[in-house]
Amino acid sequence: GENVEQHPSTLSVQEGDSAVIKCTYSDSASNYFPWYKQELGKRPQLIIDIRSNVGEKKDQRIAVTLNKTAKHFSLHITETQPEDSAVYFCAARGHNAGNMLTFGGGTRLMVKP
Amino acid sequence: DVKVTQSSRYLVKRTGEKVFLECVQDMDHENMFWYRQDPGLGLRLIYFSYDVKMKEKGDIPEGYSVSREKKERFSLILESASTNQTSMYLCASSLAVGRSPGTQYFGPGTRLLVL
Repeated sequence: GENVEQHPSTLSVQEGDSAVIKCTYSDSASNYFPWYKQELGKRPQLIIDIRSNVGEKKDQRIAVTLNKTAKHFSLHITETQPEDSAVYFCAARGHNAGNMLTFGGGTRLMVKP
Repeated sequence: DVKVTQSSRYLVKRTGEKVFLECVQDMDHENMFWYRQDPGLGLRLIYFSYDVKMKEKGDIPEGYSVSREKKERFSLILESASTNQTSMYLCASSLAVGRSPGTQYFGPGTRLLVL
């Protein structure tokens, strides 16, 4: 089955700096890669996703890049703000039935004012 | 707006008890999922269901069972709770493959403590 690894597990940045979170996956047939943000005490919510036929996708201050050859994808947050502080999860949908996702271990991002 | 609800936010049970966690979604989604969330391990899939009365094992099904008698409701059952099942349990739902890109919508979670 699919295996997703996520790094780093914790990340601390100054407000205004950029943050990058990286994930690798094992199933070369995976075709969908979402990123979820979970604020403290709240449910995970989708913030951005990318499909395997696209190399990069951007939505305001967040962007995701995908390198299918190397089987890795990354989340980039620019001009970080304190409200970006949360746990971020990457995920991959492998070659399986249904919309099953395999999640990475999560990254706790702390943005210091 | 998708709404996924879970029956309890916090639950305390004793070892050996039978525990029921319920999840309801109101968007007519075909797929429903149960995950457990533990620090450093991310979200691990316990079971999922792609239709009424259908279920598939996820990565960590041992010690759990599920029931889906109605499309909107997906129950997770701990037949005999053990302390290593203390965790946060998250339910999610999504449209079927082909009808959506794969977005899963999560419930608020149930924090279960087994003493």
